[in-house]
Parts: sequence; C-alpha cells; structure tokens
Amino acid sequence: RKEVEQDPGPFNVPEGATVAFNCTYSNSASQSFFWYRQDCRKEPKLLMSVYSSGNEDGRFTAQLNRASQYISLLIRDSKLSDSATYLCVVNDSGGSNYKLTFGKGTLLTVNP
Amino acid sequence: NAGVMQNPRHLVRRRGQEARLRCSPMKGHSHVYWYRQLPEEGLKFMVYLQKENIIDESGMPKERFSAEFPKEGPSILRIQQVVRGDSAAYFCASSPASTGSYEQYFGPGTRLTVT
Repeated sequence: RKEVEQDPGPFNVPEGATVAFNCTYSNSASQSFFWYRQDCRKEPKLLMSVYSSGNEDGRFTAQLNRASQYISLLIRDSKLSDSATYLCVVNDSGGSNYKLTFGKGTLLTVNP
Repeated sequence: NAGVMQNPRHLVRRRGQEARLRCSPMKGHSHVYWYRQLPEEGLKFMVYLQKENIIDESGMPKERFSAEFPKEGPSILRIQQVVRGDSAAYFCASSPASTGSYEQYFGPGTRLTVT
C-alpha cells in the first residue's frame, strides 16, 4: 500500500461545480495533514492544514477521519483559478515528524 | 518579505558533469528541506538540514548526492557525475522550526535536465 494515495483523476468540472478529493494514508501514527496545490511547473503551495474537527476556509473544506486514515478536500463553487494539481500531504511521526510525504496529486481542470 | 529563493531555476547538464543547486530559506527560517519530484511522481523527501548540520539524509541516494547548509550563505545540493535519471525538479522548503509547526514553505524549484 502506498504511503499516501489519492484519486488518480483528472477531474474536469464546469465553473460553479462542487468537487471532492479523497486521500488515504498508511501510517496510523501520522500527526499532521495538509492539502497543497501545485500549478503546472510551479512549487507546491500550502492550501490548508487539516484538523480532526474539520476545518473550512471560504469555499474549501477539509476533513480528517483518523480511524479510517482518510482525508478529504471539498471545493464549492469552483473557479477557473482553482485549476491545479491538489496534493495530499502527511507528515511522518515521532522523531522524524518534519518529513512530509506527498501523494502524487489529483489534477483539477475547471472549465468555463 | 522574500519567500524561499532557489537558483538557478533551470539547469542543463551533460552526463558526467556536476550540478549545484542553491536555496536561500525565508527570512527567520533556520530549517531547510530538499525534495525531488520526478516526472509524473509526487515529491520525495531527500534531506533535512539546519545551519552547519545535516539532521536527516535518509532520502538521499547514497552516491553522488550531497547537501550542506553553511553558517553563511545558501544551502547547496550537489550532484556529481549526473545521469539522465537525475533529471527532475528539485524543490527546497524552509520552516522556522521542525517542532510545533510542520508547515513548510517551498521555493520555485530548480528544473535539472541531463542530456
């Protein structure tokens, strides 16, 4: 099982659609969880951290289910500018908790 | 407030040459991480450094790759005798501390092409 596994995508949606990304992780001791976005040939940028209680930032909602080792990201009212690759990221546990493990990403294209 | 800076942005090397990639962390950040992204792959951790110390190089290939973060100046990732398989995007990230805040901020990357 891969350490961090994401929907393979790609996702093509019209403007205004709601889209959901799923991610599972294999290390039950992982402590911190993030969604990053990466535009084509650019660096990953932190979109949001993911907390056990779930958290929302404008049109973006992230959920974490520790029991199922599952993370999700929901984008409502999608915009053209949301087109990017979305990376599920998990940090390592214990003494190497600085080490981020990235999924391969899910490509989202929002169409006019 | 400059972010993480990397140079060069693009680097072309012939097989057998050396590649040197530089990274200057964000102001106030003393922890530097290098990641490699092969085509169609996710980013993979390579090495974690603090000033003058390599903390974890478990993700670095055992041969030809080395990294440093001197007291003065940028962090350097050095690849000797490059091969075609080294072609990738190399990203540097920085953070203010490794505990308490796990958020890492990435530089624009260096795209290495080995011909």
